[in-house]
Amino acid sequence: ELKVEQNPLFLSMQEGKNYTIYCNYSTTSDRLYWYRQDPGKSLESLFVLLSNGAVKQEGRLMASLDTKARLSTLHITAAVHDLSATYFCAVDMRWDYGGSQGNLIFGKGTKLSVKP
Amino acid sequence: EAQVTQNPRYLITVTGKKLTVTCSQNMNHEYMSWYRQDPGLGLRQIYYSMNVEVTDKGDVPEGYKVSRKEKRNFPLILESPSPNQTSLYFCASSLMGRTDGYTFGSGTRLTVV
Repeated sequence: ELKVEQNPLFLSMQEGKNYTIYCNYSTTSDRLYWYRQDPGKSLESLFVLLSNGAVKQEGRLMASLDTKARLSTLHITAAVHDLSATYFCAVDMRWDYGGSQGNLIFGKGTKLSVKP
Repeated sequence: EAQVTQNPRYLITVTGKKLTVTCSQNMNHEYMSWYRQDPGLGLRQIYYSMNVEVTDKGDVPEGYKVSRKEKRNFPLILESPSPNQTSLYFCASSLMGRTDGYTFGSGTRLTVV
């Protein structure tokens, strides 16, 4: 059974600080996504990581994927209040082992609060 | 505008009264799926569909039905809703094959009393 573990689950940061959110998963996959969710809202796609070593950056956020370590990271640089939200990683199991399992497995999310 | 449209956004109903939550996408995506989101449990997949007339169970299918008669639509049916189905529901779609990821609908907040 695939497990996706994010940590920390709660993160309170000061503005201007850096931090990293970790996403570990328990089986092979080379597709991983990061989403942002504001309270009561839908999921907004942040990054699509499709291969080992993939690194993508958008503004103060940078995501990376290490498929050998089964680890993805979301790095926050010089946090600002607008980044306060819940961040989810999700592993795509549709193409694992050449099969079509049709399943997107989410981590439990990291609730980020950025304080002045 | 490319989007996934869910209706209704909010629904309060009584136990046992059949309901349908609709989901429609305008991106010609083959793959569609339903998730429910609950505090402390995250998002869990209910059902998914890889194309017209092809559906399969996700992690928590009990109490739900789906159908995929047309490519663009993937309704979620609760034949006899119970209070434990009170949740926030999301529909999502994507292309099969190499993909840019999934597009999520705005969500449906369902309360069963």
